[in-house]
Amino acid sequence: TQLLEQSPQFLSIQEGENLTVYCNSSSVFSSLQWYRQEPGEGPVLLVTVVTGGEVKKLKRLTFQFGDARKDSSLHITAAQTGDTGLYLCAGDQTGANNLFFGTGTRLTVIP
Amino acid sequence: DADVTQTPRNRITKTGKRIMLECSQTKGHDRMYWYRQDPGLGLRLIYYSFDVKDINKGEISDGYSVSRQAQAKFSLSLESAIPNQTALYFCATSDSGTGRGSYEQYFGPGTRLTVT
Repeated sequence: TQLLEQSPQFLSIQEGENLTVYCNSSSVFSSLQWYRQEPGEGPVLLVTVVTGGEVKKLKRLTFQFGDARKDSSLHITAAQTGDTGLYLCAGDQTGANNLFFGTGTRLTVIP
Repeated sequence: DADVTQTPRNRITKTGKRIMLECSQTKGHDRMYWYRQDPGLGLRLIYYSFDVKDINKGEISDGYSVSRQAQAKFSLSLESAIPNQTALYFCATSDSGTGRGSYEQYFGPGTRLTVT
């Protein structure tokens, strides 16, 4: 059983379009992180959200943590080919000593 | 230079062989982790270490062992490799904070292991 479910699993869009990917759970997390992984490389941290309802912006990327701290979303405005990659969410829970990773959303932006 | 390095980057080995994957970091972090990545399964934790004398099993530790030789070095061994251990293996580090968001991970470039 996966603690964090990400959707969609695959997403292919045209350059310039907007998109949203989701990270959902029935469990509460102390914080939630988003990573991007490009082929042949390790995941790279994009952002950490720690407060329910928190919204963080990173240029064209907007991250939101759900009010109940059980889910998160990543919205990309005007996607570019450089946004192509695997997007992973990961959460940590009080009392646990490690992160739980979602299965990822593989995004392809077509020029 | 990369903060977290892994060697080798690629390895092909035969069933039953012993293999060691090595990880070094210059970030000065106390915490180190080994994950494996399989298509559709995301990243799964194999072992983690919060300091040189602290080793903990993760979600999928069977068939693996680790050694924390120093704060900066954490190695993963497959004592007798089997084909279903074919995967991408990542080492990661994190700082030793205790507040929310304190498990932010910094990953190495990965080792692609194939067991035939």
